[in-house]
Amino acid sequence: DAGVTQSPTHLIKTRGQHVTLRCSPISGHKSVSWYQQVLGQGPQFIFQYYEKEERGRGNFPDRFSARQFPNYSSELNVNALLLGDSALYLCASSLRGNQETQYFGPGTRLLVL
Amino acid sequence: GQNIDQPTEMTATEGAIVQINCTYQTSGFNGLFWYQQHAGEAPTFLSYNVLDGLEEKGRFSSFLSRSKGYSYLLLKELQMKDSASYLCAVRSHNYGQNFVFGPGTRLSVLP
Repeated sequence: DAGVTQSPTHLIKTRGQHVTLRCSPISGHKSVSWYQQVLGQGPQFIFQYYEKEERGRGNFPDRFSARQFPNYSSELNVNALLLGDSALYLCASSLRGNQETQYFGPGTRLLVL
Repeated sequence: GQNIDQPTEMTATEGAIVQINCTYQTSGFNGLFWYQQHAGEAPTFLSYNVLDGLEEKGRFSSFLSRSKGYSYLLLKELQMKDSASYLCAVRSHNYGQNFVFGPGTRLSVLP
């Protein structure tokens, strides 16, 4: 069975640009969460979606937004990129986003120049 | 607020046993997870504790004391491939059941 997939694997952008990252959860999983991991630190929670609705939001500015589609895949959008947005963006899926373990995708490494 | 502490780095010898500690202060506690993350890769699930006590899973064991806000991950019979970062994560009601991660402990296993 395929695990969580993310695209693209790597991305280079310049300050002020916009970026869209994509995630497909494990088959049968209905919840997707997004995390940002800056080099040398643990992941930080950005958003969780379940059944196309936002269930949770971390402490990130409004430049960050996300959505979930009917097939449970998800997009993370970041506007007006800053140098500090350079990080590994991880997507994690779980069955319902409640009591279950979250399984992580390989991540998208974003570099903002 | 949420706060999770782990040692930044640890070194151990192949075949030895190592214990990685994690202390946390959080509201809405709903479980503690350990993940392994090799450099440049995604975190992979190792273990989960929601009740006090020891959970054993092959060479890996994890312990939780909710009253002390303390957990540890025990790795036995260390192998070179165990060199990685180990992330302690607390699941919280306050984040919609999502995780608050610690900074990670970078473990180096030496021959």
